Amino acid sequence: EAGVTQFPSHSVIEKGQTVTLRCDPISGHDNLYWYRRVMGKEIKFLLHFVKESKQDESGMPNNRFLAERTGGTYSTLKVQPAELEDSGVYFCASSQDFPSGRWETQYFGPGTRLLVL
Amino acid sequence: AQSVSQHNHHVILSEAASLELGCNYSYGGTVNLFWYVQYPGQHLQLLLKYFSGDPLVKGIKGFEAEFIKSKFSFNLRKPSVQWSDTAEYFCALRKAAGNKLTFGGGTRVLVKP
Repeated sequence: EAGVTQFPSHSVIEKGQTVTLRCDPISGHDNLYWYRRVMGKEIKFLLHFVKESKQDESGMPNNRFLAERTGGTYSTLKVQPAELEDSGVYFCASSQDFPSGRWETQYFGPGTRLLVL
Repeated sequence: AQSVSQHNHHVILSEAASLELGCNYSYGGTVNLFWYVQYPGQHLQLLLKYFSGDPLVKGIKGFEAEFIKSKFSFNLRKPSVQWSDTAEYFCALRKAAGNKLTFGGGTRVLVKP
């Protein structure tokens, strides 16, 4: 079974440019999460999709970040315009949707390293 | 809001030494607890998890963790480490009624051969 995949693995852009990150979850996983780790800090939650719906976007830093999951399969996270403080590693995770959510385990992708110069 | 604290940022030890990584959390309700590991160049992998029941949880690669509710702790242990255990280890919490994970800052472990 294929795991969570993310593309690209690395991205280097200049301040003010736009970058789009992609995540393909494990097949059949309705839950999809985005997390971010800024250098030297802890991994922080950004948002959570259930199928194509945003369940929780409380961790999104500001309106320069836009996440989509059209059709409930893969997701994209667009940063426009990028700022220096957006540099970090962006992780995607997916999980099955259990009725109570109680036994859920999230499986992580390899991450996308974003560097904004 | 909930939080997770990992006491050590870096740990260096020799092969065959015992390892214990501390993890404390702050949240008054029911929690699920996880330890993830990230080996060099690889993605985050689940080591073990606690949902309910026996507070001593055994995971992969000889790791175990003990949930002590009274101490709000979920420390990770391994009796004898190998060079291949060199990695960064993350403790994470999820509120039982929630979905998102709250992570600690991570502990980088270097095992010298």
